[in-house]
Amino acid sequence: TQLLEQSPQFLSIQEGENLTVYCNSSSVFSSLQWYRQEPGEGPVLLVTVVTGGEVKKLKRLTFQFGDARKDSSLHITAAQPGDTGLYLCAGDGYNQGGKLIFGQGTELSVKP
Amino acid sequence: NAGVMQNPRHLVRRRGQEARLRCSPMKGHSHVYWYRQLPEEGLKFMVYLQKENIIDESGMPKERFSAEFPKEGPSILRIQQVVRGDSAAYFCASLTGVSYEQYFGPGTRLTVT
Repeated sequence: TQLLEQSPQFLSIQEGENLTVYCNSSSVFSSLQWYRQEPGEGPVLLVTVVTGGEVKKLKRLTFQFGDARKDSSLHITAAQPGDTGLYLCAGDGYNQGGKLIFGQGTELSVKP
Repeated sequence: NAGVMQNPRHLVRRRGQEARLRCSPMKGHSHVYWYRQLPEEGLKFMVYLQKENIIDESGMPKERFSAEFPKEGPSILRIQQVVRGDSAAYFCASLTGVSYEQYFGPGTRLTVT
């Protein structure tokens, strides 16, 4: 069974601080997606990483896919209160028909 | 382009009733996945469908749950004889089949009383 361990589960920081969220697995994924979910809503796709070692930037968010395609990280620079939310990583395993394996999520709170 | 649509957004059922959850994928998307998010748990895969075909139902409970994606109309997730443990948020996601990116609907929050 493929698993994605996401950490930390909860993160409370002050505006302007930097933070990193990690997703780790013993399994290899063909791609990994990061989502953000607001209360009462569905996950919204932020980015997809496909190539080992790939780095993608989305404004103050930097996403990295590990060289071995088993892990990924999300780094937020100078966090703002608007970044508050639940961040989810989800892996697409090989020969799994596209079904996503989700991490437990990181609940981020950025205080002004 | 309209996004993935789900209805109802909220559904309350008494134990033993049936729940029908509908999902209309994005235009041009012919693949639908259903996921369930239990309280305090992450999203878990339930079933993967293409038009008129169930591709993978390995995440579906063996009893009471069924899903379909007819040639015309939305995908339906059906839960018969609901129990309190079925209370959860149910999400569907669609993709084109060419791209691997899944786009999620807003979910249906099912409460069983």
